[in-house]
Amino acid sequence: DTAVSQTPKYLVTQMGNDKSIKCEQNLGHDTMYWYKQDSKKFLKIMFSYNNKELIINETVPNRFSPKSPDKAHLNLHINSLELGDSAVYFCASSQDRGHEQFFGPGTRLTVL
Amino acid sequence: AQSVTQLDSQVPVFEEAPVELRCNYSSSVSVYLFWYVQYPNQGLQLLLKYLSGSTLVKGINGFEAEFNKSQTSFHLRKPSVHISDTAEYFCAVTTRTGGGNKLTFGTGTQLKVEL
Repeated sequence: DTAVSQTPKYLVTQMGNDKSIKCEQNLGHDTMYWYKQDSKKFLKIMFSYNNKELIINETVPNRFSPKSPDKAHLNLHINSLELGDSAVYFCASSQDRGHEQFFGPGTRLTVL
Repeated sequence: AQSVTQLDSQVPVFEEAPVELRCNYSSSVSVYLFWYVQYPNQGLQLLLKYLSGSTLVKGINGFEAEFNKSQTSFHLRKPSVHISDTAEYFCAVTTRTGGGNKLTFGTGTQLKVEL
């Protein structure tokens, strides 16, 4: 009964490739988020969607494109991967822009 | 804009000893405050949250935190730690804005519990 799930858990790829990370939540929440955790464990928000509408878009390269097919899913597509994209990406969800965010297990992306 | 400062990057402590992890925040508007824990190679789990009301907040695993508005602090405490509390702890803040609910995290404190 995983509340927020992400696939894949690990992703190793070459520079220049395009990859996607998928996120699904079964909590019935209508707001979802993507966070990036760098090698120093610093967490920073990238995007947020509410009912499939983009509501937060931090200063993120436009190689990153979130897509929300429905309010239970928020995928992250990354074009032309760079070494600096190596990080752990966390998906999260909350109820109606609510206060408590539930996090997924993370996807560790390694760009070689 | 809001910000969070966790001054201690690492806190070593012996098992059964008390511990305090410090968190200070900065914001021009009212805030909501959170502590999350991250065990090795896992996601973040909410320990406790302050939204309003009583300034002393109790969370899971015996942790508690006190919101101090005058000192803009939200320190996390546990009276007696266990080996299993070894993890990374993150303080986070958010404000309710029309644009969403963005969590701003501190840089984390590594709690290492030793025998």
